[in-house]
Formats: sequence, structure tokens, C-alpha cells
Amino acid sequence: AQKVTQAQTEISVVEKEDVTLDCVYETRDTTYYLFWYKQPPSGELVFLIRRNSFDEQNEISGRYSWNFQKSTSSFNFTITASQVVDSAVYFCALTFNNDMRFGAGTRLTVKP
Amino acid sequence: GAGVSQSPSNKVTEKGKDVELRCDPISGHTALYWYRQRLGQGLEFLIYFQGNSAPDKSGLPSDRFSAERTGESVSTLTIQRTQQEDSAVYLCASSLDSLPANYGYTFGSGTRLTVV
Repeated sequence: AQKVTQAQTEISVVEKEDVTLDCVYETRDTTYYLFWYKQPPSGELVFLIRRNSFDEQNEISGRYSWNFQKSTSSFNFTITASQVVDSAVYFCALTFNNDMRFGAGTRLTVKP
Repeated sequence: GAGVSQSPSNKVTEKGKDVELRCDPISGHTALYWYRQRLGQGLEFLIYFQGNSAPDKSGLPSDRFSAERTGESVSTLTIQRTQQEDSAVYLCASSLDSLPANYGYTFGSGTRLTVV
């Protein structure tokens, strides 16, 4: 089965705290891609990162970092020194044939 | 255009009526996708187009749902005899080709459909 699980439905933090959003996936494929998208209140999904299954190197982009662990089928997303503008729903996704399978999303609220 | 455009942004309809949702993808994007997002839930795949053809219609929830694409551009998602369970945000995305791994998707802002 192809499945993405984001166990955290909602997370609330205070500005400047670090926060990690969890993503666990299931797939039979040996070649696959994982994505993170941000959905701000405006509703439009914004692409954040793509990672292929052969590249387990962690990635950092500014305050964002991603930890890909094939051994635990996880692709977690950390925001360092969170800001109010980070408040959004974050989706993890897995490619499946010609479409993406999305997790249910984690709603992050960053309070000032 | 610069992004994926969806119209209307909001639609309220009476149960039993038909609705049409429109998606204008990014110019040159050959692949187009429709997703449904119920309140507080993730994205549910409905259908995708490669050019004007829909190789995968497996996600359409019932025969009340149909979609077409013309000119390898605009796509219309039609819901006939709407039901309250159809209330959701309908998201459209486009991609340069049909392999999301290559380019990812660019999403529109969605159409919020409310069936009363």
C-alpha cells in the first residue's frame, strides 16, 4: 500500500521555538519521491522540497531542514526559530504512479 | 499565465444542482490534476490529464463526477446532482509533464464548494 501518515494533526508553538513535523510513509516501490508542501491560509499549496529515495542526505534551507531516514520510512521537517508567518498546514506527499499521495496534513500555529 | 488559476473561488449551490469548476493551468504544462480537500483533511486524488487525455480516472468518487480538458489547456470538473458530501475545496495543479517527481506540481488556490 502507498500511504503517508502525518500523526500530528495540530501543533502550536510560541515564536522562536523549533518545531518538527513528522511524516511516515509506506511504499512498495524502491524508487520514489517525497515532497513537503505548505498551505497558508490563502489556500494555495506551496512547494517546499523534493527528495528522491536514493538520496538520504539531509537538507537545510534557511530555517527549514529535512531529515530523510529510509530505515524508519520517515521524512521529517524541522522549522528552526519559528515565526508567525510559518503558520500554515503542512503536507507531506509521496509519488505514486502518476499522482501524489498526500498525508492528512499538520496544522502549525505559531503564536507571537 | 504566471500561475494556476481556478474559478470560481467560492461556489454555493443547492443540493441537486450541477456545478462546473474551471482550471487554467500554467501555459505549457502538459499535465493537469484535480484533487479534493474536505475540511481538515488531506488531498484526495480525483483525476489527471496528460494533454487532453485522462489516463487515470480512478479517483473520481462517483459517476456524478466528470472532467474534460481541451486545447491542452483549460480543464473543467463537473459535478452533477450535487450532494452535501461534495462540499470541499477542489484543487487543481499542473506540471510540466506527467511525472511529478521531475517537477512537482504548481497548485491553484482552489474552489471552495458548499452544497446547501
